[in-house]
Amino acid sequence: DVKVTQSSRYLVKRTGEKVFLECVQDMDHENMFWYRQDPGLGLRLIYFSYDVKMKEKGDIPEGYSVSREKKERFSLILESASTNQTSMYLCASSLANWAGLVTQYFGPGTRLLVL
Amino acid sequence: RKEVEQDPGPFNVPEGATVAFNCTYSNSASQSFFWYRQDCRKEPKLLMSVYSSGNEDGRFTAQLNRASQYISLLIRDSKLSDSATYLCVVTKGKNTGFQKLVFGTGTRLLVSP
Repeated sequence: DVKVTQSSRYLVKRTGEKVFLECVQDMDHENMFWYRQDPGLGLRLIYFSYDVKMKEKGDIPEGYSVSREKKERFSLILESASTNQTSMYLCASSLANWAGLVTQYFGPGTRLLVL
Repeated sequence: RKEVEQDPGPFNVPEGATVAFNCTYSNSASQSFFWYRQDCRKEPKLLMSVYSSGNEDGRFTAQLNRASQYISLLIRDSKLSDSATYLCVVTKGKNTGFQKLVFGTGTRLLVSP
């Protein structure tokens, strides 16, 4: 079974703090993704990566950065957390398939609260 | 207009009922279509892909209508364990290049005894 793990299930941070969210997958997937999920807005793509050290902006990259130094690990960084970044953050991974015909496997999510 | 639109529900049905959800998408260039299931406070998981000819997996049937740009999911003989939020998902973009997924906000199903 594919396993995607995220470093924390719940996180509380203060405005202005630097926040690191870590994601690890154990299936040697090429693609990794970070989404946030908010009520009424659904899942929105923040960043994705299709290879080590490669990253592409998603639909809402502002206020975020990412790092992929190893194939299995994809980190999301909030340089200076703000209250509007309070959300559920979901990491996903998939095999490489440029037609999008592959399943994305999600981690359990991190609920981030920024005070 | 949202790229993927779904009725948020909730759909309240008794066990054994048949229930159908629809989803519309705005990008005619979308190539692939899926239904994901998300249980309360859990991560989304793929339920089934949706093929042009329609496809069935046990009690679940998915249909695609490209001309009208909508996708449907039919659940027969509903079980209590079917209670979840069902996310309609389509690929965004053209025929080439990396295809990102666009998620609908989901339709909530509650199956009662």
